[in-house]
Amino acid sequence: DAGVIQSPRHEVTEMGQEVTLRCKPISGHDYLFWYRQTMMRGLELLIYFNNNVPIDDSGMPEDRFSAKMPNASFSTLKIQPSEPRDSAVYFCASRGQGSIFREQYFGPGTRLTVT
Amino acid sequence: GESVGLHLPTLSVQEGDNSIINCAYSNSASDYFIWYKQESGKGPQFIIDIRSNMDKRQGQRVTVLLNKTVKHLSLQIAATQPGDSAVYFCAENGGGYQKVTFGTGTKLQVIP
Repeated sequence: DAGVIQSPRHEVTEMGQEVTLRCKPISGHDYLFWYRQTMMRGLELLIYFNNNVPIDDSGMPEDRFSAKMPNASFSTLKIQPSEPRDSAVYFCASRGQGSIFREQYFGPGTRLTVT
Repeated sequence: GESVGLHLPTLSVQEGDNSIINCAYSNSASDYFIWYKQESGKGPQFIIDIRSNMDKRQGQRVTVLLNKTVKHLSLQIAATQPGDSAVYFCAENGGGYQKVTFGTGTKLQVIP
């Protein structure tokens, strides 16, 4: 298995632009998580899905952020409009139904820079 | 994806020595704890976990100790190697089973 795949690996955009981050979970995994990592706040959970349904989005910072999971093999995290304070590394992670956290696998992350 | 470490506490250890990384947690409802390792340019990777009904668990070269009385967790790495250089995070489940909360992390530097 190729593991969790994220694209792009690096994204540089100007303030006000729309940004879309993509994630392909490990095949067969039912849970998908989006995290954000910053110097100030560390690693934070933004939202997670179970069987393509958003379960908890309490970590989503504001309405500019949205996440979708149209099918079991693809998820997007969108920021519209982007702001410099959104600059961070965004990680996607997945794990299987009935598994525990030790079996949660992270992708390599997308480093977002908003200028 | 790199872990941003400019303000992380740093532990410098000589190669071959043992390392001890500490973590304090705040949620007394947490009953499951995990240690992750994050190397530069990569996502966090599971190292070892422990449930609250245990106070010690050993893996390969790693040991996790849990002190629920003072809400303290530690990760011990035996015979530290250059490949152990990374940022280490503890995480707690807050009593739930779907998500974990991460600590701020400690950067381990191994001196050859």
